[in-house]
Amino acid sequence: AQSVAQPEDQVNVAEGNPLTVKCTYSVSGNPYLFWYVQYPNRGLQFLLKYITGDNLVKGSYGFEAEFNKSQTSFHLKKPSALVSDSALYFCAVSRLVGNTPLVFGKGTRLSVIA
Amino acid sequence: GAVVSQHPSWVICKSGTSVKIECRSLDFQATTMFWYRQFPKQSLMLMATSNEGSKATYEQGVEKDKFLINHASLTLSTLTVTSAHPEDSSFYICSASYDRAGNTIYFGEGSWLTVV
Repeated sequence: AQSVAQPEDQVNVAEGNPLTVKCTYSVSGNPYLFWYVQYPNRGLQFLLKYITGDNLVKGSYGFEAEFNKSQTSFHLKKPSALVSDSALYFCAVSRLVGNTPLVFGKGTRLSVIA
Repeated sequence: GAVVSQHPSWVICKSGTSVKIECRSLDFQATTMFWYRQFPKQSLMLMATSNEGSKATYEQGVEKDKFLINHASLTLSTLTVTSAHPEDSSFYICSASYDRAGNTIYFGEGSWLTVV
């Protein structure tokens, strides 16, 4: 069975500083990994995904994520945080092969302080 | 355990028929629920925002008459795929906000729809 862990409920970072939102996963076989962002009372917005290829994936709004197979991690990063990045971030995983459901982490709230 | 329950998990229906998927918030009232679909190997796409007691807000490109959303109570939203066709086969997932500020979001387990 697949699972996703986002170990931090809350991440606080000063504007202009780099940010990292952590995600580790468990899946049999090759993973298919996603990051989504949700602003209050809005639907999820897709940020980026990893299927195969380069371990560093670049996505929307300047975000990137690094796939690390040995550590089964897919941490979300941004070199310089903006106040407008403050939101709820979800990591999700499914198996690459076959019809398996998307499993979400519980989310991490990012607060960027001016 | 699950705080948002979706039913059914798997459904196969014949082309031309309608199928209903339920999304229930357990132990909390959800004024807002979201419906998503995911095609194989693609990311999740928001279909609509379901607000209790009012009409759903659909995303651009989503057919309102085909994907009927009803949010009749604070714990239940339903998605009905009307006159289903094979291209509607997809993974449908809902989410519910625990509080009005949207600070806590829970996801259902998802529903696989196969139209034959």
